[in-house]
Amino acid sequence: DAKTTQPPSMDCAEGRAANLPCNHSTISGNEYVYWYRQIHSQGPQYIIHGLKNNETNEMASLIITEDRKSSTLILPHATLRDTAVYYCIVSRSGGYQKVTFGIGTKLQVIP
Amino acid sequence: GAGVSQSPRYKVAKRGQDVALRCDPISGHVSLFWYQQALGQGPEFLTYFQNEAQLDKSGLPSDRFFAERPEGSVSTLKIQRTQQEDSAVYLCASHSFRDNEPQHFGDGTRLSIL
Repeated sequence: DAKTTQPPSMDCAEGRAANLPCNHSTISGNEYVYWYRQIHSQGPQYIIHGLKNNETNEMASLIITEDRKSSTLILPHATLRDTAVYYCIVSRSGGYQKVTFGIGTKLQVIP
Repeated sequence: GAGVSQSPRYKVAKRGQDVALRCDPISGHVSLFWYQQALGQGPEFLTYFQNEAQLDKSGLPSDRFFAERPEGSVSTLKIQRTQQEDSAVYLCASHSFRDNEPQHFGDGTRLSIL
C-alpha cells in the first residue's frame, strides 16, 4: 500500500473550517483515500473515503487533486469534539485491505 | 451493539504471564485484522484473517504472539511470556469484504505489563 504524509499537528478555531492535508504521491490507480480519526481512548472512527471525485457526507468533505497525489479533509465547522488524531491512509477497496497508518495529524480545536 | 467489541478494555499482567485478548467482529464480516498501537503512534498491522483462515501474520513481532479465529467469527490474540515492550493498545477491526466499505474498529484493549 502507498504511504501517506501528514503534518504532525494543526490548530483550528472553534466554528471555523479545519482543512487537513495529506500527500500520497505513490498512490496506485485502484487505491482509495480513506480518512479515520481517533479520539483519546477510542478506536479509529471512519470518516470518509474517495477514489478520484470529491466526496461529502454528514461529517466532512474530501477533496482529491486531479493527479490524485494529495487530498484535503475538510471539517466545515469544527467543534471541540473534533479534537482528535486524523489519519489519512490509502488502500484498495474491498477484499484484503492491509493498511499502513502513519502518525496522523493531531488536530486541536481551540475555543 | 452492532459494532466491533473487544474485551477486556484494560489488562494488567506481570512480566512472564500469558494473556488472551478477545475480539467480537461485526456479525457477518469476513475480514478481521489485529493492530498494535504504541503510545503516540498510529496502529501497526499484526495479522489478518479471512473467515477462519489466517492469511497474513507478517506483522506479528515474535513467536510469542499467536492469533486464532477458529469458527470465522470471534478472534483471540494470545501473547505468551509477556514482556514490558508488549505494553500497548491492541485494536481489532473487521470488514465486510465488499467494495466501498471501510474497516470498523473496536475501542481496543490497553495492555500494561509490569
